Amino acid sequence: EIVMTQSPATLSVSPGERATLSCRASQSVSDNLVWYQQKPGQAPRFLIYGASTRATGIPARFSGSGSGTEFTLTISSLQSEDFAFYYCQQYNKWPLTFGGGTKVEIK
Amino acid sequence: QVQLVQSGTEVKKPGASVRVSCKTSGYTFAAYSLNWVRQAPGQGPEWMGRINPNSGGTNYAQKFQGRVTMTRDTSINTAYMELKRLRSDDTAVYYCARSDYDFSFFDYWGPGTLVTVSS
Repeated sequence: EIVMTQSPATLSVSPGERATLSCRASQSVSDNLVWYQQKPGQAPRFLIYGASTRATGIPARFSGSGSGTEFTLTISSLQSEDFAFYYCQQYNKWPLTFGGGTKVEIK
Repeated sequence: QVQLVQSGTEVKKPGASVRVSCKTSGYTFAAYSLNWVRQAPGQGPEWMGRINPNSGGTNYAQKFQGRVTMTRDTSINTAYMELKRLRSDDTAVYYCARSDYDFSFFDYWGPGTLVTVSS
C-alpha cells in the first residue's frame, strides 16, 4: 500500500503568519491527493482535491500544490479558526491511505 | 443539504460484533459510494472499505477482509458497517463518508460513532 508521510508533526505558528505543511507519498500518486482539516471532536472537513483545487466554500488562503510524491498545503495568513489537524489522503491506488497528520497550533 | 447521520456510541467486549448505521439525506443515495473510515485515539484516519449503494458491491481494505461487512438498505437510504471479532485495538471513532464513484475522496462525512472495546 502507499504510505503517506506528513511533516512536521506539529507546526507552531502565530496568527496572521503563513503555514506550510508537507505530505510525501511512498510512490507516485499523480495529482490524486486530497487535504482535510479536523478539529477535536469533529469529523474531517474536505479542503482540497486534485492536489490543488479548493472544495466549494474553502477560503482562498488555503492552497495546495505538488504532484507525484511531494505535496504542500499552504495557509497564507492563519486565522484563529485554522488551528487544527490537517491530513492528506491519496486516492490513486487501493487501499486509500491517509497521512499521520500535522497539528497546527498557536505559537 | 447533504446529511449523514450515524448511530450512537457502542461499548463492546472483545470477541463481540458491532453494527454502525449511516442514514443519508439530501442527495441521491445510489449516485455516490459510501465509505467507512475509522480513527483510533490520537491517530490518523484509516479507510476500511466502501459500498456501491446502487449495486451493493463492496471493496474492503485487506486488513479488514473477513471481519467487516458493509451493506445498505436503499428503501431508507441507509448504509451499515458490521465489524466482527472485536479486539481492544478496534477502539476508535467510525465515520461514514460519501465519495464519487470515480474519485475516492470524501466530500461529506458523518459525525462519527465511538466504538469502545473493553473487557
